[in-house]
Amino acid sequence: SQTIHQWPATLVQPVGSPLSLECTVEGTSNPNLYWYRQAAGRGLQLLFYSVGIGQISSEVPQNLSASRPQDRQFILSSKKLLLSDSGFYLCAWNRAGGYTFGSGTRLTVV
Amino acid sequence: AQSVTQLDSQVPVFEEAPVELRCNYSSSVSVYLFWYVQYPNQGLQLLLKYLSGSTLVKGINGFEAEFNKSQTSFHLRKPSVHISDTAEYFCAVSRYNQGGKLIFGQGTELSVKP
Repeated sequence: SQTIHQWPATLVQPVGSPLSLECTVEGTSNPNLYWYRQAAGRGLQLLFYSVGIGQISSEVPQNLSASRPQDRQFILSSKKLLLSDSGFYLCAWNRAGGYTFGSGTRLTVV
Repeated sequence: AQSVTQLDSQVPVFEEAPVELRCNYSSSVSVYLFWYVQYPNQGLQLLLKYLSGSTLVKGINGFEAEFNKSQTSFHLRKPSVHISDTAEYFCAVSRYNQGGKLIFGQGTELSVKP
């Protein structure tokens, strides 16, 4: 069966520190992968999506970047975190119209 | 580009009462439509989806939604809610030929009171 793993579940980081959130998918190949952010009291905003290894599309200008080094691995990064980067980050994958979400990472930048 | 509007940010309702969560979308082409539920500090769980066929879609937990193309709406309904339905609900649209990107509404917080 297909599963999606996201870690860590929670993270508290100081302003200016780097960030690396990882998402891996099992049980499927060549999925479309997505990173969403949910800020407090707001909906979900699509940050990045990827249709294949090394292919990244950015939806909004921001302090974050994404990479896809392997078919089923999607990484969200930042060199220097800002307070405004706080939020709930969700990874998702899609194939043939079906979407599956990870359990999310709660990031608090202090 | 597509957009999604969830008309109510909060919906309080008593247990066993019916509920409707409203969703309108805008798109110049055909879209796929989804409703997701998010319980506190958890990821998103798919309630139901409309890809094609019958405009009345039945999902999990007794929810259903009706796709109305002329009104560009996809409202979510449940005839009798439970305390356990308290959660945030998100409507989303996708155009398959854009890499399957899901565009979400702002969410509706459903609060079921005893």
